[in-house]
Amino acid sequence: NAGVTQTPKFQVLKTGQSMTLQCAQDMNHEYMSWYRQDPGMGLRLIHYSVGAGITDQGEVPNGYNVSRSTTEDFPLRLLSAAPSQTSVYFCASSLGQGVETQYFGPGTRLLVL
Amino acid sequence: RKEVEQDPGPFNVPEGATVAFNCTYSNSASQSFFWYRQDCRKEPKLLMSVYSSGNEDGRFTAQLNRASQYISLLIRDSKLSDSATYLCVPASGGYQKVTFGIGTKLQVIP
Repeated sequence: NAGVTQTPKFQVLKTGQSMTLQCAQDMNHEYMSWYRQDPGMGLRLIHYSVGAGITDQGEVPNGYNVSRSTTEDFPLRLLSAAPSQTSVYFCASSLGQGVETQYFGPGTRLLVL
Repeated sequence: RKEVEQDPGPFNVPEGATVAFNCTYSNSASQSFFWYRQDCRKEPKLLMSVYSSGNEDGRFTAQLNRASQYISLLIRDSKLSDSATYLCVPASGGYQKVTFGIGTKLQVIP
């Protein structure tokens, strides 16, 4: 099993550009989520999904869209990137809702100029 | 008051030393508590859960004080490989109701 994979590993965008951060898992987990991690702040939940076709907002959803068309994939879209979205993004998946059951992906480092 | 407070460090300790980290949380509804380890530029990984009675896993001991709303992590006989950032994570429900601390950085020196 590859576990949770994220692409790209690193990306530089200009303000206003759009892009999609990819996340995939091969563990048949129902629950998937996106976090961002900024210096001096803990991980914050952006969006999450409890199964294919179901998504919901986390703590900091503004500026991000998600969809969950398959169990395996949970892409995160930035429609119009802003410098405030410069961060490290982690995707996670789990069988259940317990945070301790989550597997995190390796992260995507995003720089918005 | 922040929901989770941790001293960001860094804590620089020699190999073999004992080091302790504390974390305070403000949400009295928190039911579950965890310590995560995060290596530089890597994803967080669960280190251990924290139980009311305290628990030990090898060189690592975690304790919970609900009355004072803090949890602690003690590392004995520090190894170079223990160098990482340790995140305090209280939860009041599923992962949607979790707060990650900023982490305490530990640097173990030869």
